[in-house]
Amino acid sequence: NAGVMQNPRHLVRRRGQEARLRCSPMKGHSHVYWYRQLPEEGLKFMVYLQKENIIDESGMPKERFSAEFPKEGPSILRIQQVVRGDSAAYFCASSPSPSGGFWVYEQYFGPGTRLTVT
Amino acid sequence: KNEVEQSPQNLTAQEGEFITINCSYSVGISALHWLQQHPGGGIVSLFMLSSGKKKHGRLIATINIQEKHSSLHITASHPRDSAVYICAVRSGSGGGADGLTFGKGTHLIIQP
Repeated sequence: NAGVMQNPRHLVRRRGQEARLRCSPMKGHSHVYWYRQLPEEGLKFMVYLQKENIIDESGMPKERFSAEFPKEGPSILRIQQVVRGDSAAYFCASSPSPSGGFWVYEQYFGPGTRLTVT
Repeated sequence: KNEVEQSPQNLTAQEGEFITINCSYSVGISALHWLQQHPGGGIVSLFMLSSGKKKHGRLIATINIQEKHSSLHITASHPRDSAVYICAVRSGSGGGADGLTFGKGTHLIIQP
């Protein structure tokens, strides 16, 4: 059973370009979380998605950032018109769907995408 | 908003020593995670717990819900345990607020 996959692992973009980060959850997982780790800072929650549905985007910057998790294919975190401050490691995690009255499942992390904006 | 505090921020110890890392949080939670981040950056989930104690190999995690406090212990520490250990809490119980809130991490170095 493959773990959470993220690609690319490293991404370099010039200021003003778009960055697309992909996350394929573990098999059987339908919940995806995106986190950002700025240099020398801790991890911060960005967004929580189920397939075709954004559940919680309270951690997403109001502009330029968007996320989706379509019915088919990976979850995408999209950053438009990147700026130097977007340089960070972006981690995706996945968990199974809540079932049987049990809501809290462990989150499994991907290896991260390191975005560098030049 | 939950505040997560870890201590110590940095810890250097000799191989074989017993290690304790502490985590306190301010608001009731549904689960607490201990994560390990190696110098390469990858994150591994060590434990998820909502009560009591869990053990895996040389690692032990405990949580006291009333005191809003958790500890991660490493017995017979080894240089390969050197990493950043991160405490993260989950406030939601499904349907929202399920993203984790993280502590700043404890940088652990085990010297041979």
